[in-house]
Amino acid sequence: DTGVSQNPRHKITKRGQNVTFRCDPISEHNRLYWYRQTLGQGPEFLTYFQNEAQLEKSRLLSDRFSAERPKGSFSTLEIQRTEQGDSAMYLCASSLGGQGIHTEAFFGQGTRLTVV
Amino acid sequence: TQLLEQSPQFLSIQEGENLTVYCNSSSVFSSLQWYRQEPGEGPVLLVTVVTGGEVKKLKRLTFQFGDARKDSSLHITAAQPGDTGLYLCAGLRRGNTDKLIFGTGTRLQVFP
Repeated sequence: DTGVSQNPRHKITKRGQNVTFRCDPISEHNRLYWYRQTLGQGPEFLTYFQNEAQLEKSRLLSDRFSAERPKGSFSTLEIQRTEQGDSAMYLCASSLGGQGIHTEAFFGQGTRLTVV
Repeated sequence: TQLLEQSPQFLSIQEGENLTVYCNSSSVFSSLQWYRQEPGEGPVLLVTVVTGGEVKKLKRLTFQFGDARKDSSLHITAAQPGDTGLYLCAGLRRGNTDKLIFGTGTRLQVFP
């Protein structure tokens, strides 16, 4: 296990189509985060799992977005009825969290989504 | 509302110059991380600072966490073209849930 893995690296889709991204975290990490980043900006928090439980969702995450982490390992982020404004880099990060542990998050290489 | 503000937003310097990037907030963080990101890649963790007043050095990079744990700085000595990238600070706020909140980013360009 060499790090956080995201697939695909790039996705081009037509407006209105659904897309799904996958994230495989570092194996012993219990926390998994999804962020969205537009060009030249810092990543914006979308949602966060501890094991299989989704603990927080940003208001940025509209009803068209859904994330799952069914067995507390890999996670998927689905966007339904994509819009051009969804074009961005989608980043996944994982960490080992818990009481008294100072969380260090490690990121994958991201999935670049382009909606045409 | 942006909780973490970075300055400057852009920095363009010659090789060999020194620079400092600031990360400021009105909120207290239990820890703060600095990342560097290159185009088309995910952020890569550089350092984590935890204790107020803490100073960490990573070769030519010096990181400092403010005494009140509300701000941080990154100082680069004798910048090199390889230092070019987007520098991001990210704070961890303890609460019911833990999540990293990112700063606005500082884009550094070092010319040979």
